[in-house]
Amino acid sequence: QKEVEQDPGPLSVPEGAIVSLNCTYSNSAFQYFMWYRQYSRKGPELLMYTYSSGNKEDGRFTAQVDKSSKYISLFIRDSQPSDSATYLCAMRDAGGTSYGKLTFGQGTILTVHP
Amino acid sequence: DSGVTQTPKHLITATGQRVTLRCSPRSGDLSVYWYQQSLDQGLQFLIQYYNGEERAKGNILERFSAQQFPDLHSELNLSSLELGDSALYFCASSGSAGTGETQYFGPGTRLLVL
Repeated sequence: QKEVEQDPGPLSVPEGAIVSLNCTYSNSAFQYFMWYRQYSRKGPELLMYTYSSGNKEDGRFTAQVDKSSKYISLFIRDSQPSDSATYLCAMRDAGGTSYGKLTFGQGTILTVHP
Repeated sequence: DSGVTQTPKHLITATGQRVTLRCSPRSGDLSVYWYQQSLDQGLQFLIQYYNGEERAKGNILERFSAQQFPDLHSELNLSSLELGDSALYFCASSGSAGTGETQYFGPGTRLLVL
């Protein structure tokens, strides 16, 4: 079983829809939670970064972390065709021998239709 | 543009060969991370260097090695290549070795082993 599970989709929505992307994880040591966006043939680009539990909002993006359920979400409001990409959740623990190691989900492929 | 550069962009080689991938971190960043992205395994952490020293190791094969030079650029060496080593290889950098640091990814090197 993978440490981080993410539904690979693909997910297809009309422009303007609210998109919900989710990841579950099994390692309770994870403290830092990130969402990266990856366009085709490009490197991952950091979208959201949260520490421990709670919500964080940045423009049309909202990240939620529920450590008690080991579940994180990314919501995209008013989705645009330019949001079409692969979304990767990533997590990291608080230190120790793993230092900066990020553990990624498989990524969800999102397509937003005009 | 993340500020992380990787060369070459594409590499085609044969089984049994050895290749070197190069990464230049963002200006001022001391940590370099290497990741492998394949369709079946997703994005996986290989190794981290901080200011020339190895800091963390992931699922890196013994045939693979890396180093970080005094000017902070890093090289990932892949030897005795197998078909299964075909993947995208990403380098990321961050300001320090701290677990709270944001990692910025380069555009990747696409390796094809024939």
